[in-house]
Amino acid sequence: GQQLNQSPQSMFIQEGEDVSMNCTSSSIFNTWLWYKQDPGEGPVLLIALYKAGELTSNGRLTAQFGITRKDSFLNISASIPSDVGIYFCAGNPNSGGSNYKLTFGKGTLLTVNP
Amino acid sequence: DTGVSQDPRHKITKRGQNVTFRCDPISEHNRLYWYRQTLGQGPEFLTYFQNEAQLEKSRLLSDRFSAERPKGSFSTLEIQRTEQGDSAMYLCASSLSGRKYEQYFGPGTRLTVT
Repeated sequence: GQQLNQSPQSMFIQEGEDVSMNCTSSSIFNTWLWYKQDPGEGPVLLIALYKAGELTSNGRLTAQFGITRKDSFLNISASIPSDVGIYFCAGNPNSGGSNYKLTFGKGTLLTVNP
Repeated sequence: DTGVSQDPRHKITKRGQNVTFRCDPISEHNRLYWYRQTLGQGPEFLTYFQNEAQLEKSRLLSDRFSAERPKGSFSTLEIQRTEQGDSAMYLCASSLSGRKYEQYFGPGTRLTVT
């Protein structure tokens, strides 16, 4: 099945710094989503992307759907301590039909030093 | 709070026992999903319902697993004869028809099999 590769696996940054992470797939995806998960909680949806080249923001977060449709990027500007958590990319390769399951990457662990 | 809820949040059971988890989706969402997450991994798809119909099951869902959504509202996931390998976080998510890939997750049920 499809696999999503996220990088980096972990990041240690200072408060106020900008963060970039990405996700790549071996096959074309038609939908990309980014989630954040805190310890012991379920993932929280941050951004959903539906078109190649699409750039979408949610506050200090900006995500892009790569032109090749095999990758996506998430940027966090001016990081704050509450940005700490695991960020997951997820996607679905189908443009229609009844298959709505999401494939997830292994996550990027973000630590922000105050 | 009108988000996805799951019960119980934690379950410790002995190997060989049966366990049942409940998920209450966001009220207007007609699609409901179950995922399993182990340490250091992203969520993995288990099964999916549209209203009361179970439309897809992953190969991860062995014969010991069964899920139901009897009236198209809440769902239950039962694991029979639990094994230590079943220890994981079981996540439920729901979505709207028109925004099917935007899946909203509950807090999860952490299962520990001793």
